[in-house]
Amino acid sequence: KQEVTQIPAALSVPEGENLVLNCSFTDSAIYNLQWFRQDPGKGLTSLLLIQSSQREQTSGRLNASLDKSSGRSTLYIAASQPGDSATYLCAVNAGGTSYGKLTFGQGTILTVHP
Amino acid sequence: SAVISQKPSRDICQRGTSLTIQCQVDSQVTMMFWYRQQPGQSLTLIATANQGSEATYESGFVIDKFPISRPNLTFSTLTVSNMSPEDSSIYLCSVNRMGYGYTFGSGTRLTVV
Repeated sequence: KQEVTQIPAALSVPEGENLVLNCSFTDSAIYNLQWFRQDPGKGLTSLLLIQSSQREQTSGRLNASLDKSSGRSTLYIAASQPGDSATYLCAVNAGGTSYGKLTFGQGTILTVHP
Repeated sequence: SAVISQKPSRDICQRGTSLTIQCQVDSQVTMMFWYRQQPGQSLTLIATANQGSEATYESGFVIDKFPISRPNLTFSTLTVSNMSPEDSSIYLCSVNRMGYGYTFGSGTRLTVV
């Protein structure tokens, strides 16, 4: 059974810092991995999708890496801003197809203070 | 990626009643997915809804409690039946597009009193 763990559970940083969020998964036979952002009481916004054959993906100040063999992914946020404050969720698709079931981590609650 | 309209965005309901949540997608999709997020928890898949067939429920979820309709390729509903305070959660629908991953609706925040 796939298990996804995110570290740290919570992170508080001053504005402008570069930061790294970690995600680990127990079964390396994944199809892809997706990072989401969730604002309080709201739905999920997709940030980055990494296919199993890829090593990293970038979007603006965000960079996600994937090391499938070691069961790890990191989300790097450069020059953090107060608007980045949210819960960040890592989700692994180990279903063998694009429509495979997602297994979510518990999330990292990020607070960026001015 | 797909755009999903989900409603209601929130509701406060009396125990013993039912609430139906709607999701409309801006284009046709084969499967729609329904999730629950209990307070302070991550997301748990309730069921997968295919058009023209019965929904497939995950372990721990049953059709009598969470009936799902999927009348066409752009629309689905989830009903939370005979509600109790333990059903207070955020409910989300989701679709998948090849190459884009999963897209989620804005969520329905349900409080049962």
